[in-house]
Amino acid sequence: QKEVEQNSGPLSVPEGAIASLNCTYSDRGSQSFFWYRQYSGKSPELIMSIYSNGDKEDGRFTAQLNKASQYVSLLIRDSQPSDSATYLCAVNKMNRDDKIIFGKGTRLHILP
Amino acid sequence: DVKVTQSSRYLVKRTGEKVFLECVQDMDHENMFWYRQDPGLGLRLIYFSYDVKMKEKGDIPEGYSVSREKKERFSLILESASTNQTSMYLCASSLRGTLFYEQYFGPGTRLTVT
Repeated sequence: QKEVEQNSGPLSVPEGAIASLNCTYSDRGSQSFFWYRQYSGKSPELIMSIYSNGDKEDGRFTAQLNKASQYVSLLIRDSQPSDSATYLCAVNKMNRDDKIIFGKGTRLHILP
Repeated sequence: DVKVTQSSRYLVKRTGEKVFLECVQDMDHENMFWYRQDPGLGLRLIYFSYDVKMKEKGDIPEGYSVSREKKERFSLILESASTNQTSMYLCASSLRGTLFYEQYFGPGTRLTVT
């Protein structure tokens, strides 16, 4: 089982709709969860961090965490063409220093 | 605002050359990381460092070494570049010993070895 799994996509969403990106992780002791956005040819940019169960909202972004199901998601409301990018999910490893493990990312394409 | 900079955006080297990639961060972060990113393989950790003069191997350290002489600077060294080291190299930094582990990335260096 991969440590952090994401659907590679591409996920196509009409402009103005809600984009839903999902991620599962294998280490039940993980405590820190991150979403990064990466445009083609650029480096990853941290957009959300979440540490406790439930929802965390920041502008058009909402991160959702369910530790019992080992599942974390990112919702993007009112999707814009500028949201087209690859989204990386990352999770810390419990008791393994300060490293985080990255998923391979989901490509999101917002259709104008 | 966290700032991580890398010495070059694009680099072309010949097989067998020794290559130095430099990374500097200005947020007094203890942790620094070097990754490479290849299509279909995602981000892979090469080396990381918790403190000055400390280094730990990541998942793919073979063919690489690192140096951390100052807290803000972390260098990746390709001892003898090979074509399979053509890749995007990403440096990141984070605070140490907190729950949060947020890593901030530099702009990346796209290295081509011919």
